[in-house]
This record gives sequence, structure tokens and C-alpha cells, in this order.
Amino acid sequence: NAGVTQTPKFQVLKTGQSMTLQCAQDMNHEYMSWYRQDPGMGLRLIHYSVGAGITDQGEVPNGYNVSRSTTEDFPLRLLSAAPSQTSVYFCASTPVAGPGTGELFFGEGSRLTVL
Amino acid sequence: AQSVTQLGSHVSVSEGALVLLRCNYSSSVPPYLFWYVQYPNQGLQLLLKYTTGATLVKGINGFEAEFKKSETSFHLTKPSAHMSDAAEYFCAVSSAGNQFYFGTGTSLTVIP
Repeated sequence: NAGVTQTPKFQVLKTGQSMTLQCAQDMNHEYMSWYRQDPGMGLRLIHYSVGAGITDQGEVPNGYNVSRSTTEDFPLRLLSAAPSQTSVYFCASTPVAGPGTGELFFGEGSRLTVL
Repeated sequence: AQSVTQLGSHVSVSEGALVLLRCNYSSSVPPYLFWYVQYPNQGLQLLLKYTTGATLVKGINGFEAEFKKSETSFHLTKPSAHMSDAAEYFCAVSSAGNQFYFGTGTSLTVIP
């Protein structure tokens, strides 16, 4: 089983460039989310989606856009990259958009460096 | 609102010694609590979770955690550390709507 697949695994950008981090899951999960992981700060929620066509902001949404046109895909867009967005990004999904009892399934991460 | 505090960003134990990783939470509603493990250059994977019922929860690789409501704690333990346990461990709490809140993580080093 593929699970949650993230691409690319590594990316270097220059300040001001734009890019999209891709996330796809093949488990038919309703809920998908994006986190960033920074040293000493744990994982912080950027955006999440409880189903196709529905997205919402998390803890640190500024500088990022998302869309959810299908159940499987949840891309994260950086419109104008800044050095503060240098981080490791994780996509995660869970089966139900409900009371939070489900396990989060994580991708392997995308390491982004903004120069 | 929910939040998680993990005491100790780095913990070192000798191989065969007890592992104790501390987690305290804040939640305005009955919490759902999780421990995740992250090995180098990998994503997070679930170790164990507490939702309802028995407060002592057993997970994979010999880990367990006890939900103590009176202490708002969910500490992770393992009786005997193995070299393969060296990793980053994250405590998390979730709420309605599947908002997961993670602690800042504890890096576990196992000394041979």
C-alpha cells in the first residue's frame, strides 16, 4: 500500500519563487492536513481539509494556500517563498472527519530550503 | 483549547534501563491522546493512543502509557530500552474536528 505520498522529498527555492508540494493518499481518507516541523517547535498545523471542496486554516496558515478538488489530493502552495518557510513539511490523513479519535497517517516529509 | 507540554527535549538512557518520557496536556473537553515516534528522515508513526476506556494503554514495541486525568498527564514508558528505540517522540492531543496538537518532541538517546 502506498499510503500517503509526498513529492518532492527535497526542494531548494530562492526567495520570492513559488512552488507546490504534492500530497496524495490512496486510503480514501476524508481528513487531510499539512504540518511543518521546525527544531524545538514540534509540528504545527498549516491547513486542513475535512473533505473534497472544504479547507480551513490551522495554526500557521500565512504564506500558504491549499485546495481539495478530490478526496485523494491535497496540494500545498507557497506563492512567494520566504526564508522563514524553510522547514520540513508533512502531509497527514485520517479516515474520518470526526471527533479526533483516528490515527494520523503521515507521509515521509518534504524538506524545503528557501535561500 | 488544547495544548501539550513535553518535559525534556532530550532524554538519555542506558540500554536495558527504564524509559520515561513525560507529557502533560491541557484540554477543555475529554481528550484523545496519542504518542507518535519519528525515526530519522521519516514521517511519524503511531505508537499508541487513548480514546476512552482503560487508562493504561499498550502500544507497539513494548511501550505503554497511562492516562491520569487528575494529573493531566499521559507519560510514555518502556521497562527496558533497546538501541532501536532511539528516535524522536511526540505526544499529541486531539479534539472534535480532528485538530491535532503536538508537543515539541523528546529526542531519546540510548547508550550502549
